[in-house]
Amino acid sequence: EAGVAQSPRYKIIEKRQSVAFWCNPISGHATLYWYQQILGQGPKLLIQFQNNGVVDDSQLPKDRFSAERLKGVDSTLKIQPAKLEDSAVYLCASSLELAGVADTQYFGPGTRLTVL
Amino acid sequence: AQSVTQLGSHVSVSEGALVLLRCNYSSSVPPYLFWYVQYPNQGLQLLLKYTTGATLVKGINGFEAEFKKSETSFHLTKPSAHMSDAAEYFCAVTLPRGYGNNRLAFGKGNQVVVIP
Repeated sequence: EAGVAQSPRYKIIEKRQSVAFWCNPISGHATLYWYQQILGQGPKLLIQFQNNGVVDDSQLPKDRFSAERLKGVDSTLKIQPAKLEDSAVYLCASSLELAGVADTQYFGPGTRLTVL
Repeated sequence: AQSVTQLGSHVSVSEGALVLLRCNYSSSVPPYLFWYVQYPNQGLQLLLKYTTGATLVKGINGFEAEFKKSETSFHLTKPSAHMSDAAEYFCAVTLPRGYGNNRLAFGKGNQVVVIP
């Protein structure tokens, strides 16, 4: 079974530029998550989708971050414009269903973003 | 909101010695608890989880953890460390369905170094 796919793996941009990350979850997984992991910290949830609807985006900085999950499958996360403090690893995860909050989340390898 | 505390960002252990990683949680109700492992340049992988039932939970790669409500703890152990255990370990907590937000909250992680 293929895992969670993410691209690109690495991205370097200058502040005020825009950037987009892509995630393809495990086939059949209804729930998709985007996390931000700053160096030295644990992952922090940015947004959670069930199918193509948003379940939780309370920690997403909506003035600069946006995310969508078209057709309930793959997803994109965009930052526009980027700030220095956005330098982090962006992790995508998926799980089978929202009904079980104890469901295992399967993580992709992440995209390492450096903002100069 | 629920949270976990992991003390000691770096943990050194000799090969063959006991691995002990401490995790204490804060929650208004009995939570669901998880341990994830992250190998270099890879996504997080579930080691084990506690939801309900038996408080001693066994996971992959010989790891286990015990939920102790009286101590608000969920410490991770492995009797004998192997070189392949070198990685970063994260404790995480969420609440059962119906008890507030079901966001998975991660600790800051422990970087484990195994000394030959």
